[in-house]
Amino acid sequence: GDSVTQMEGPVTLSEEAFLTINCTYTATGYPSLFWYVQYPGEGLQLLLKATKADDKGSNKGFEATYRKETTSFHLEKGSVQVSDSAVYFCALSERSGNTGKLIFGQGTTLQVKP
Amino acid sequence: NAGVTQTPKFRVLKTGQSMTLLCAQDMNHEYMYWYRQDPGMGLRLIHYSVGEGTTAKGEVPDGYNVSRLKKQNFLLGLESAAPSQTSVYFCASSYPLDRFRPEAFFGQGTRLTVV
Repeated sequence: GDSVTQMEGPVTLSEEAFLTINCTYTATGYPSLFWYVQYPGEGLQLLLKATKADDKGSNKGFEATYRKETTSFHLEKGSVQVSDSAVYFCALSERSGNTGKLIFGQGTTLQVKP
Repeated sequence: NAGVTQTPKFRVLKTGQSMTLLCAQDMNHEYMYWYRQDPGMGLRLIHYSVGEGTTAKGEVPDGYNVSRLKKQNFLLGLESAAPSQTSVYFCASSYPLDRFRPEAFFGQGTRLTVV
């Protein structure tokens, strides 16, 4: 079945460092891809999305490009802030069946130190 | 602008007790979902609904039941709670994928402990 694999955390960075969180997926069709962020004690919020190959999603300085050839959707940010400390989830939603069900990676905890 | 609201936020149950988690959304979404979040496992789908009066099983449905009598509400029931159901439960809702904004919106979560 479909699956999502994220790099394991936790990831600890200093403020203004470059961030990459790797995400790869397996899917039989052409999924939509998402990054969600979970701040401490809160629910998940959509960070960015991409619905077809070569699309780039971006928001709040974060970017991810839908790479069909490598089945990847890596999250990047050029300069992280302490306020970016959170858990990041990569997820896919398979188009066939149109149920909107999300398959999540295991999550990557990011801690940014001043 | 409430979005997705879950009730309650915290609960402690004894093994064998029952309870119902309530999810309400005010965005007129067709689809609703219940996920559970466990350490190191991401979120896993329990049950979902693609419309009022319809429900379907997700990845981990055993021990849970759901109902969607009204479009805006999605209830998750535990008939006889077990310690393995200790988790954080998230409700979510969305439009179908072919809409302009197909992404899911999540509630704040319910932290359930079964002792």
